[in-house]
Order: sequence, then structure tokens, then C-alpha cells
Amino acid sequence: KQEVTQIPAALSVPEGENLVLNCSFTDSAIYNLQWFRQDPGKGLTSLLLIQSSQREQTSGRLNASLDKSSGRSTLYIAASQPGDSATYLCAVAGNAGKSTFGDGTTLTVKP
Amino acid sequence: DVKVTQSSRYLVKRTGEKVFLECVQDMDHENMFWYRQDPGLGLRLIYFSYDVKMKEKGDIPEGYSVSREKKERFSLILESASTNQTSMYLCASSFPSGWYNEQFFGPGTRLTVL
Repeated sequence: KQEVTQIPAALSVPEGENLVLNCSFTDSAIYNLQWFRQDPGKGLTSLLLIQSSQREQTSGRLNASLDKSSGRSTLYIAASQPGDSATYLCAVAGNAGKSTFGDGTTLTVKP
Repeated sequence: DVKVTQSSRYLVKRTGEKVFLECVQDMDHENMFWYRQDPGLGLRLIYFSYDVKMKEKGDIPEGYSVSREKKERFSLILESASTNQTSMYLCASSFPSGWYNEQFFGPGTRLTVL
């Protein structure tokens, strides 16, 4: 059974800092990995999707990498802003389109 | 842009009531999902559907049923609501399984069962 772990559970950084969020998974037989952002009391917003054959994806200040063989993904956020404060979740998709989610990293960016 | 909507943002029901949560997507996605999210337990899959009238149990289907009569609409039914079903319910949709199945989520329904 796939297990997804995100470390750390919480992170607090000063504005402007570059940071890395980590996601690890136990079964490397995945179709893709997706990073989401969730604001308190809201739904999930898709940030980046990395196909199993890809190594990384970029969108603005966000860069996500995938190393299937080691079961790891990272989400790099450049020049963090207070508006980046949220919970970030990763999800790995296996067969039949079902995904397994991590518990998330709660990020606080202080002005 | 993909849009996934849910019928209610907040809902308060009494124990024993029958509860319907509705989800509609506008991108002609085959796959639709219902999750619940609880502090400390993360997102857990309740049911998913990969086509009209097709459904499959997720990790925690007990106490729930689903209906998918039209491609764009996926309903979650609590046959007899209980207090342990108080939770945030999230609906999602995606293209068929395979190498590209980006999931898109609705805004969530916060259900309280008294």
C-alpha cells in the first residue's frame, strides 16, 4: 500500500527566504505526482503536476522535482511572500486514477 | 479553467437525517472523487466513479453511498448521519487514469452533525 510522508509538518520562515518542502513515497510505481496548496477552510488548489517520466516542473516562483527511484519529490519556493502562507500537500497517483495524499506541510511566511 | 462546484459551503444536520452532498464539474471529466478531511487523518477517499453509473469504494465507504446519473454530477449520500461524520468533504474530478490525471478540487463542504 502506498504511503506518502511530508516533512516537516510545519515551517516558519521570514519573507524573502527560499525554501524546500519534501515529499516521500514508498511505492515508485506511480503515474504522476501533484502538489497542491490549501488555505484554511478551503479546497485544494493544484500547483504543479509532474508526470512519472519527468524530472521537474516549474510555474513562476515554484519548482517541483521528482526522483521516482528514490521515492522523493521536492517543492522549491523562491523569494517567499506572506501570501504563500498555506498548507502544501503532495499526492501520488497510482493505477485507476486514485491518489494517495500526504498530511501536508503548513508554511508560515512572516513579514 | 476547470470548475468544480459543491452545493453547500456549510451544512448543519441532525443525527439520523439523510444528507445529500452534490458536486458538479464542467470539464467533461470521466473520474470523480469524494474525500473527507479530518485533522490528523489527512484526506481519505470515500468513493470514486470512473464513468456514469460506475462507482468503486475507497478507503472509508462505510456509512456512505454515491450516485452518478450524469457525467458532470457526483452525489455523496449519508443514509443516516452520525456525529462521527462531522468533517470537511471535498469533491474532485480528473481525466481517465493514466499518465495524465491532474485532479481538480471543489471548495469543500463543512458538515456538522449534531
